[in-house]
Amino acid sequence: NAGVTQTPKFRVLKTGQSMTLLCAQDMNHEYMYWYRQDPGMGLRLIHYSVGEGTTAKGEVPDGYNVSRLKKQNFLLGLESAAPSQTSVYFCASSYTGAGLETQYFGPGTRLLVL
Amino acid sequence: AQSVTQLDSQVPVFEEAPVELRCNYSSSVSVYLFWYVQYPNQGLQLLLKYLSGSTLVESINGFEAEFNKSQTSFHLRKPSVHISDTAEYFCAVSPMFSGGYNKLIFGAGTRLAVHP
Repeated sequence: NAGVTQTPKFRVLKTGQSMTLLCAQDMNHEYMYWYRQDPGMGLRLIHYSVGEGTTAKGEVPDGYNVSRLKKQNFLLGLESAAPSQTSVYFCASSYTGAGLETQYFGPGTRLLVL
Repeated sequence: AQSVTQLDSQVPVFEEAPVELRCNYSSSVSVYLFWYVQYPNQGLQLLLKYLSGSTLVESINGFEAEFNKSQTSFHLRKPSVHISDTAEYFCAVSPMFSGGYNKLIFGAGTRLAVHP
């Protein structure tokens, strides 16, 4: 039982390049989330999904797209990377969308945009 | 809307000393309260959460947090810290009725550094 895994762990991009971050969970969770973590700002929600085939915008969605083609996978895409997208990206999942649920986080992807 | 303020960005402490990490929140609706911990180079994991009932909640590794509704606080304490407690600690709230997904609002984090 691997929990939540993220690929890749590290990436360096040049401005304007594109990339996709992959998140996978093996807990059969319906809900999945993408966050970015910046120093002094905690975690901010980029996009989330309430089930296979669904996605929705979070707090800071601009410059990102997501897809949830399979229940266990949640992809985060950057079409044209900008230095402001340098951050640590975390994926999380939860069994339901209830407020009392625990979210389970992946180990993170460190992205540097030059 | 909700917001979370963690009053200390860094807390240095010696091993076996007590520690308190402070968290205040603001919300116009009822919320659940969480503390998540992030060990170096790892993702976040749940430390403890307050849902209802006793205002004092405990974790398996000796941390406890007390919900104070009148002061809108959820401070985290440990009577004697270990080197292995060195990590970043995030306070978070989630509205009881979030409208479709588990909406977590995080504080900026407190970096706990335990020194020998």
